[in-house]
Amino acid sequence: GESVGLHLPTLSVQEGDNSIINCAYSNSASDYFIWYKQESGKGPQFIIDIRSNMDKRQGQRVTVLLNKTVKHLSLQIAATQPGDSAVYFCAEYTGNQFYFGTGTSLTVIP
Amino acid sequence: DVKVTQSSRYLVKRTGEKVFLECVQDMDHENMFWYRQDPGLGLRLIYFSYDVKMKEKGDIPEGYSVSREKKERFSLILESASTNQTSMYLCASSLGQGIQPQHFGDGTRLSIL
Repeated sequence: GESVGLHLPTLSVQEGDNSIINCAYSNSASDYFIWYKQESGKGPQFIIDIRSNMDKRQGQRVTVLLNKTVKHLSLQIAATQPGDSAVYFCAEYTGNQFYFGTGTSLTVIP
Repeated sequence: DVKVTQSSRYLVKRTGEKVFLECVQDMDHENMFWYRQDPGLGLRLIYFSYDVKMKEKGDIPEGYSVSREKKERFSLILESASTNQTSMYLCASSLGQGIQPQHFGDGTRLSIL
């Protein structure tokens, strides 16, 4: 997942703009990836997933891009809304378990 | 929708106490997991279970045990709570076939005094 540190990376965007959240994963053998959204006081919520045989997958207002060459995953949120404010983190599946990033805190400015 | 329910949102216990955290899922999922979430760190796997009566150690099992007597219920036990076990504990479940996304409960924030 993302590099481990004491402070969450943060991202602030204007309402209506597009958001891009990035994740560098660690294992080139990872074959499945998930993006989760975690709102304050709640558990992580599944947003979208992608398998390693794909480069791009789209959902409702969200797109995940996978670049296996540089081991990079990104989440794009179109027309960001105040309800999108949360911590977003990626998870990679390798071996027999998931490994989770530390997350990016997204703040949407009205 | 999958519903993973953790019995307590907040829990305060004392050092040395035996602590039980309960988790129930309603989607007949084979797999269940316990994680802890600490500031600045990704979720860390404590224990998981692929079937009733089965358990496997995750990355940080020391000081914990688990119980899975029924398919829908997975309990995390702190044998003798210590202050370094103060954390947010998250339970998750997933289907058993192939690689599947995990669905999480809302967590139990445990404080050990």
